[in-house]
Amino acid sequence: DTEVTQTPKHLVMGMTNKKSLKCEQHMGHRAMYWYKQKAKKPPELMFVYSYEKLSINESVPSRFSPECPNSSLLNLHLHALQPEDSALYLCASSSGLAGAYEQYFGPGTRLTVT
Amino acid sequence: EDQVTQSPEALRLQEGESSSLNCSYTVSGLRGLFWYRQDPGKGPEFLFTLYSAGEEKEKERLKATLTKKESFLHITAPKPEDSATYLCAVQASWTDSWGKFQFGAGTQVVVTP
Repeated sequence: DTEVTQTPKHLVMGMTNKKSLKCEQHMGHRAMYWYKQKAKKPPELMFVYSYEKLSINESVPSRFSPECPNSSLLNLHLHALQPEDSALYLCASSSGLAGAYEQYFGPGTRLTVT
Repeated sequence: EDQVTQSPEALRLQEGESSSLNCSYTVSGLRGLFWYRQDPGKGPEFLFTLYSAGEEKEKERLKATLTKKESFLHITAPKPEDSATYLCAVQASWTDSWGKFQFGAGTQVVVTP
C-alpha cells in the first residue's frame, strides 16, 4: 500500500485564523515532506522531516509551523496567513533521505485564504 | 546551477497517436530521476525511478528512458485517460541535496478520442 492521506481536502480560512493540516502514512517511511503548489507550477518544497526531526526548512515564513508527532504523522500549523498563501498543500513520504528514494504524495489540501 | 527543463510545455494527441516527452537536466552527479503524472487538483502519482544512463522502465503504455543528459517518457497508443501533467524530478548526489527534488515545469498532455 503506497497511500498517503491528508485532511482536510479543502480549507477556507481568514487571515486571523489558526488551522492545521494533517498527513498520515503507514508505509514505514522515515522521511516526510510538505510542499506547496500553485496553479500550473511544480511542487515547491517547504519542509522535510527525517526520523521525526526537522531536516530541511526552505526559508518558509514563520506563519507556517510544521510538527511531526510520530513517524506516521505530519502536521502543518497555519497562523495569520496571507491571500498569496492560497495553494494546494501536498504531503509526501519516502523510505529515507540518503538514497534516491521515490516520494509518494498525498491528494493534497486545497487552501484558500480570504 | 542545477536545472531541469521539460518539453514541450503542452502536447495535444489523438487517441492512438504515440509521442515522447523530454526532460533534460544539468546536475553535477545524478542520484535519481523520477517521473510523475498529476491530474488537476490532485497529488502527483509516482511512475518511474531511473538511476543510470541506458536504463529503461515500462508500465502499460508508458516507457521511460535515461541518457546522461536527458530522459524521455514515451506514450504508446495513448488513451484519453492518459491525459495529465507529467512531471520530471531529479535528485543530485550532493549531501545537502538529499531529500530535495528539483522538478521540471511539467508537460500537460491532452489525448482526444
